[in-house]
Amino acid sequence: QQQVKQSPQSLIVQKGGISIINCAYENTAFDYFPWYQQFPGKGPALLIAIRPDVSEKKEGRFTISFNKSAKQFSLHIMDSQPGDSATYFCAASRPGYQKVTFGTGTKLQVIP
Amino acid sequence: KAGVTQTPRYLIKTRGQQVTLSCSPISGHRSVSWYQQTPGQGLQFLFEYFSETQRNKGNFPGRFSGRQFSNSRSEMNVSTLELGDSALYLCASSPLAGNQETQYFGPGTRLLVL
Repeated sequence: QQQVKQSPQSLIVQKGGISIINCAYENTAFDYFPWYQQFPGKGPALLIAIRPDVSEKKEGRFTISFNKSAKQFSLHIMDSQPGDSATYFCAASRPGYQKVTFGTGTKLQVIP
Repeated sequence: KAGVTQTPRYLIKTRGQQVTLSCSPISGHRSVSWYQQTPGQGLQFLFEYFSETQRNKGNFPGRFSGRQFSNSRSEMNVSTLELGDSALYLCASSPLAGNQETQYFGPGTRLLVL
């Protein structure tokens, strides 16, 4: 019940295209759903996050879509750029807990 | 403001040895969490410390332990190293306990066990 399933494992997108990464969870106690971006040699950095009371959150080119009934959420990267090439992790956590349960990661490559 | 600092950045040990990793949180942050990152298992939570007390612990054997000092700096120790302990160990700090929204990760310590 603590798992967060993420797909695809890897993704190649043309510059200017849309990158879409999907995640699903089982534990309905999760109430915070962040996405992290990790570059080689660096720790994960918070990109954008959402709580279950909203269905969508947009920050610049990054949008989270959240479907509470399906227990699924996704990250959309619009107008993908080569600088977006990184590994993306979806995650979830419960209220009052610092522990974050991570998905398995998606390695995104944006080609010119 | 300086970010989360982890030392050393790289470490090579042999099976059976023990290792201590250090994490200095962002100034003013009192919560420190540790994660293990491997290609096979991804990012897995080890433990969280707040005000020198362990608040949560992940599903790791007792060989993995940690502590936090009064200045919020934290150390984790792995005893009797196994090949499977080779991983990137990440530390994250937050101002408050149980506050997921302001968690910042350090660059990690890459441990190789031979």
